[in-house]
Amino acid sequence: GIQVEQSPPDLILQEGANSTLRCNFSDSVNNLQWFHQNPWGQLINLFYIPSGTKQNGRLSATTVATERYSLLYISSSQTTDSGVYFCAVIFSGGYNKLIFGAGTRLAVHP
Amino acid sequence: DGGITQSPKYLFRKEGQNVTLSCEQNLNHDAMYWYRQDPGQGLRLIYYSQIVNDFQKGDIAEGYSVSREKKESFPLTVTSAQKNPTAFYLCASQLPGGWNSPLHFGNGTRLTVT
Repeated sequence: GIQVEQSPPDLILQEGANSTLRCNFSDSVNNLQWFHQNPWGQLINLFYIPSGTKQNGRLSATTVATERYSLLYISSSQTTDSGVYFCAVIFSGGYNKLIFGAGTRLAVHP
Repeated sequence: DGGITQSPKYLFRKEGQNVTLSCEQNLNHDAMYWYRQDPGQGLRLIYYSQIVNDFQKGDIAEGYSVSREKKESFPLTVTSAQKNPTAFYLCASQLPGGWNSPLHFGNGTRLTVT
């Protein structure tokens, strides 16, 4: 079936470390977004990236649409990066629904 | 400031009562969405609306109802038929342009039903 799979499910880092989060999706997509959900539940847009590479400060993302995966890179992690990172996609095929993965729970310790 | 406003932030209700969650946006977005999030899980789509006076069921619409009488407003009613209503509810809106536009989310409403 149609799926969005994120890995790893949980990640613990020491402050200053780098990490890579992965999102695999089962079909071609029109829309792919990365979100950060902070401990208060706020869902913050990080990237809109159905293909290609984007960078924003310490964060960058790459989507290889032909191979059906996206990567989120976090460099020099900070405690404020803690929270849950979600990948969400809208699959091609006429359904304008953003479907979420289960998320990667990140904890950055000082 | 432009944005999506959800109210209230916390809501408590007794079992068997209907409750309506508010979502207002002043971004002039056409499409609006309601998602539900249970602890430790991702978001699941309840209902979405592409234009005024039109809305579609998402993946978990049973026990919920919506209306879209105005472009700015997309209220969600959690009815007594919803078996497990306690959850975190998030509203989103989307720029015109359909699925090629990013979604933006409100800050959510935490509903507790006892």
